[in-house]
Amino acid sequence: QSVLTQPPSVSGAPGQRVTISCTGSSSTIGAGYGVHWYQQLPGTAPKLLIYGNTNRPSGVPDRFSGSRSGTSASLAITGLQAEDEADYYCQSYDSSLSGWVFGGGTKLTVL
Amino acid sequence: QLQLQESGPGLLKPSETLSLTCTVSGVSISSSSYYWGWIRQPPGKGLEWIGSIYYSGSTYYNPSLKSRVTISVDTSKNQFSLKMNSVTAADTAVYYCARHDNYGGNSEAFFDYWGQGTLVTVSS
Repeated sequence: QSVLTQPPSVSGAPGQRVTISCTGSSSTIGAGYGVHWYQQLPGTAPKLLIYGNTNRPSGVPDRFSGSRSGTSASLAITGLQAEDEADYYCQSYDSSLSGWVFGGGTKLTVL
Repeated sequence: QLQLQESGPGLLKPSETLSLTCTVSGVSISSSSYYWGWIRQPPGKGLEWIGSIYYSGSTYYNPSLKSRVTISVDTSKNQFSLKMNSVTAADTAVYYCARHDNYGGNSEAFFDYWGQGTLVTVSS
């Protein structure tokens, strides 16, 4: 059971907008700690998608955006494309563990 | 261009010690503001942070694994290593090494570069 909770799966048709939630607690997201998102394509290593809640590394399309509010964060993907089909993970810091934690992951299916 | 490459045995027996090395190229492992971390992913499951090390040797470990894990760094070889003792089948996973960007402090740290991962299987 992960410290950060994500829905196991989400889906959407090409061109649509989908969101993936990440729910934490007062010792993680609720403490104001940064939330980061990773995309893992099948059979590959995770890739940093969003850092510091809302920032995109160079090369990441602006179709991907992040937000944080209270004890939760969200990843939004607009203009859904077939190549976006992947697993997505959120990550933050946990002061009760003095370490870093990941969400359980969300599988995005493009219909 | 920054690259990380994991290496080590892919098959272990229960109770043995897992030993993996991550070779970093394209940047000095002694760069400030960066930790170097290990993350694992059991087959079909999610990511689990194992631990991270600074070039000075300062370490952070996942409390659930701390009693079995040691992470070390060799700046002369631009490498860092993971040792995990008394492995069981539950330790079967793909093990990734990654750069841990700590510029904003621990509360803002994230993993910006990852190795390709190496599968370690524990089986008798």
